Amino acid sequence: TQLLEQSPQFLSIQEGENLTVYCNSSSVFSSLQWYRQEPGEGPVLLVTVVTGGEVKKLKRLTFQFGDARKDSSLHITAAQPGDTGLYLCAGAGATNKLIFGTGTLLAVQP
Amino acid sequence: NAGVTQTPKFQVLKTGQSMTLQCAQDMNHNSMYWYRQDPGMGLRLIYYSASEGTTDKGEVPNGYNVSRLNKREFSLRLESAAPSQTSVYFCASSPVSGFLTQYFGPGTRLLVL
Repeated sequence: TQLLEQSPQFLSIQEGENLTVYCNSSSVFSSLQWYRQEPGEGPVLLVTVVTGGEVKKLKRLTFQFGDARKDSSLHITAAQPGDTGLYLCAGAGATNKLIFGTGTLLAVQP
Repeated sequence: NAGVTQTPKFQVLKTGQSMTLQCAQDMNHNSMYWYRQDPGMGLRLIYYSASEGTTDKGEVPNGYNVSRLNKREFSLRLESAAPSQTSVYFCASSPVSGFLTQYFGPGTRLLVL
């Protein structure tokens, strides 16, 4: 069974701080996605990374796919209260189905 | 363009009752999915439909049935609800099968007593 572990589970920081969220697995994924979910809403896709070592930037968010395609990270620079939410990684596994990580709940205090 | 819509938003059931969760998308997507989200476990795939007329089991299909009524609609049925089915249920769709770029609905919060 392919699993995706995210760390940390919870993160509470002050506005303006930087943070990194990690998504790790012992399995190889053909691609990996990051979603953000706000309370009472469904997840919204932020980015898809496909190539090992790939780095994508979305404004203050930087996403990296590990060289071996087993892990990924999300770095937020100068976090803002609007970044608050549940961040989920999801990998496309051997059967081409999405395997979701356990989630990181981020709270950015003004 | 409403995207993916789900009804109802909230539901309380007693053990043994049945109900159907409805999902519709207006993006002309071929593939649709049902997930459940439980604390600390992420989203788990219940059933999916790669295209109209086909359905397949996901990771946690036991206790559920699905119907792909047409290209727009994909329903999830609980025949005899159990407390273990208390969860938040999300429907999603994607343009093609292969699971990339999924668009999620707002969810249905189900409590089984």
